[in-house]
Amino acid sequence: GENVEQHPSTLSVQEGDSAVIKCTYSDSASNYFPWYKQELGKRPQLIIDIRSNVGEKKDQRIAVTLNKTAKHFSLHITETQPEDSAVYFCAANAGTALIFGKGTTLSVSS
Amino acid sequence: GAVVSQHPSWVICKSGTSVKIECRSLDFQATTMFWYRQFPKQSLMLMATSNEGSKATYEQGVEKDKFLINHASLTLSTLTVTSAHPEDSSFYICSALGQGTYEQYFGPGTRLTVT
Repeated sequence: GENVEQHPSTLSVQEGDSAVIKCTYSDSASNYFPWYKQELGKRPQLIIDIRSNVGEKKDQRIAVTLNKTAKHFSLHITETQPEDSAVYFCAANAGTALIFGKGTTLSVSS
Repeated sequence: GAVVSQHPSWVICKSGTSVKIECRSLDFQATTMFWYRQFPKQSLMLMATSNEGSKATYEQGVEKDKFLINHASLTLSTLTVTSAHPEDSSFYICSALGQGTYEQYFGPGTRLTVT
């Protein structure tokens, strides 16, 4: 079955810096890769997603890149702000289900 | 649009009792819903896929007789934790699959504490 690895587990940056979180997946049949932001005790919020027929997608300060050959995808956050502090999860689909990475705790200090 | 609710938002029960959690899609029909469990500071772990009108598909290692899932309508799936034990204490989150999309819409979660 699908396995999703996520790195790093924690990431601390200064306000204004960029943050990059990387994920790898194992199942070449996966074709949907969402990224979620989760605050403590709350539901995951979709922040951006990418399909396998696209190599890169951008939404304001957030971008995602996908390398299907290497089975890698990455989240890039530019000009980080303290409110970006949260846990971020990548995921890959296995059929209609989602398999999540272990998460990255991002801390943005001002 | 695409709102999913869960009830209750938190519940405390005694060991050995059963607890039912409801997941509703409020403004769309969901033929497929999912149940996840999340322990503190850990990731979401898929427990089962729930399809309307058919039996749920459980992930490896999830006891189907302990976690009963029913998806009797296009807007409601329920998870019943039977004979709950303290190790079942966790944050349970449901999601509903959007129509014609891979996107899942998550409920707010249910915090279960078994004493």
